[in-house]
Amino acid sequence: DQQVKQNSPSLSVQEGRISILNCDYTNSMFDYFLWYKKYPAEGPTFLISISSIKDKNEDGRFTVFLNKSAKHLSLHIVPSQPGDSAVYFCAARRGSGDKLTFGTGTRLAVRP
Amino acid sequence: DTGVSQNPRHKITKRGQNVTFRCDPISEHNRLYWYRQTLGQGPEFLTYFQNEAQLEKSRLLSDRFSAERPKGSFSTLEIQRTEQGDSAMYLCASSSTSNEKLFFGSGTQLSVL
Repeated sequence: DQQVKQNSPSLSVQEGRISILNCDYTNSMFDYFLWYKKYPAEGPTFLISISSIKDKNEDGRFTVFLNKSAKHLSLHIVPSQPGDSAVYFCAARRGSGDKLTFGTGTRLAVRP
Repeated sequence: DTGVSQNPRHKITKRGQNVTFRCDPISEHNRLYWYRQTLGQGPEFLTYFQNEAQLEKSRLLSDRFSAERPKGSFSTLEIQRTEQGDSAMYLCASSSTSNEKLFFGSGTQLSVL
């Protein structure tokens, strides 16, 4: 039962353009969502998060949008840079201290 | 803050052998998690400690897997009688009660031949 889904396994974007990565979830008990970025042979690193009481959170070039009614969140990166090329994982949890449930990831390639 | 440290980085073993991995979390973090990641998949939860107490175990964690965190600091994950299906990246993460973000180590890549 995949409770967090990233339906696009890969995405290619031109440098300077916007990258939009999508994530859907099925468990309405999830109340906190995070995006992680992973380079090869490294562990995931935290990027940005959002609580279910908000619909948008912004940090520099990264913005996460949450649509609770659609059980959908997205990560916007603008402008995209070649160094953003990595695998991006969406994750969610049900309450404070709960484990994170991850999606299967989207591989982003930013072309110079 | 030296980050989460995992050893070894790589482990190659023969089927049927036992292996043990170690994780040293960020020093002030009281929560420690083990995840497993295979190619093309996201990290899958295995188990979770708060201090020395193991609070949750996934059904993925068969009887061959055991994890400990004896003094609430470092943790070990042991796999007995390894199988080829155990080949994966084993990730450790830690967090504090006041901060929900998990900080991951670089993982231990296990290959079972």
